[in-house]
Amino acid sequence: SQKIEQNSEALNIQEGKTATLTCNYTNYSPAYLQWYRQDPGRGPVFLLLIRENEKEKRKERLKVTFDTTLKQSLFHITASQPADSATYLCALNTNAGKSTFGDGTTLTVKP
Amino acid sequence: ETGVTQTPRHLVMGMTNKKSLKCEQHLGHNAMYWYKQSAKKPLELMFVYSLEERVENNSVPSRFSPECPNSSHLFLHLHTLQPEDSALYLCASSQALGQGYNEQFFGPGTRLTVL
Repeated sequence: SQKIEQNSEALNIQEGKTATLTCNYTNYSPAYLQWYRQDPGRGPVFLLLIRENEKEKRKERLKVTFDTTLKQSLFHITASQPADSATYLCALNTNAGKSTFGDGTTLTVKP
Repeated sequence: ETGVTQTPRHLVMGMTNKKSLKCEQHLGHNAMYWYKQSAKKPLELMFVYSLEERVENNSVPSRFSPECPNSSHLFLHLHTLQPEDSALYLCASSQALGQGYNEQFFGPGTRLTVL
């Protein structure tokens, strides 16, 4: 069966450092991979999308990589700030548009 | 604001009650979704509608009944729920179905507690 794993349920880092979150999947061949941010009591908010034929995508302090051989995506936040503290979800999408979400990694950036 | 609203934001109901959750999107999207989010578990897709037609029902118990009267509104009717149905229910929309690159826009969710 399809499985998506996001690294450790919680990640704590110091302000200014780079946060790296991992999304691994098995028994799946996604066409797209998305990353969302979710704050407590709120719905997820879309951040970035990367296609299966793309290796890397950047947006401001965010960077996503996608390795279909390793079946892994890495999500980096550089120069992290306390305001980046949230839960980050990866979602794998087929061409038909069906999304399967990971269970998220809660990031805490300490000042 | 994402352009997707949900009401109510919080709901407490007994197992014999009947209630409805409402979702409205102001984005002109054609696809709408209901998700269940329980503590420590991934988002679970419940129902998908495309142009007001249900296209997916992920083995959801019949005590959950969706309704999509038009492409802007989505309801989830609840009856005889169980305590394990307590969760955050999220509505989302996307531009169209069948396009995996479309991001989903989520509402704030309804926090449901079943006593």
